[in-house]
Amino acid sequence: QKEVEQNSGPLSVPEGAIASLNCTYSDRVSQSFFWYRQYSGKSPELIMSIYSNGDKEDGRFTAQLNKASQYVSLLIRDSQPSDSATYLCAVGKDSGGYQKVTFGTGTKLQVIP
Amino acid sequence: DTAVSQTPKYLVTQMGNDKSIKCEQNLGHDTMYWYKQDSKKFLKIMFSYNNKELIINETVPNRFSPKSPDKAHLNLHINSLELGDSAVYFCASSQGSSGGHRIAKNIQYFGAGTRLSVL
Repeated sequence: QKEVEQNSGPLSVPEGAIASLNCTYSDRVSQSFFWYRQYSGKSPELIMSIYSNGDKEDGRFTAQLNKASQYVSLLIRDSQPSDSATYLCAVGKDSGGYQKVTFGTGTKLQVIP
Repeated sequence: DTAVSQTPKYLVTQMGNDKSIKCEQNLGHDTMYWYKQDSKKFLKIMFSYNNKELIINETVPNRFSPKSPDKAHLNLHINSLELGDSAVYFCASSQGSSGGHRIAKNIQYFGAGTRLSVL
């Protein structure tokens, strides 16, 4: 089982709709959770971080964490064509006194105008 | 001023050659990383250094040797390049041990990437 799993997509949504991206992780001791966005040919950039159960909202983005189900999701409201990118889920945990972050394989999102 | 800068941006070379990629961060971070992103876009950690000390060394061929002369720099040297080494290599940094909250410690800032093509 992969440490961090995501559906590779592509996930296609019409402009203005809600895009829902999902991620599961295998290690129950994971402590911190991140969503990165990566445009084609560019580097990953952080868009959301979360570490406690529940929802965290930032503008059009909402991250949801359920540690019991080992599940983290990202909702993008009012999706725009500029949101079309690959979204990487990342999970952090203690490893030998340091934090180690593992990335999922990413979900490609396409927002159709 | 670019926060995490890596050079070169593109590297085209022949099999068997030796090459280096350099990375510098001006964020005052303690921890730096090298990642490899293959054609399927999977971002895989290779190495991590905290204050010049190697803390993560994933299963990477020993042809790959990282070097951190100081905490602001992490270079990657690759010997005897192979076709399978073709990928985009990303450098990243995070606050690491200097950060307060564990979330802040782990937020990684990436360089623009080095696209390595081995012919």
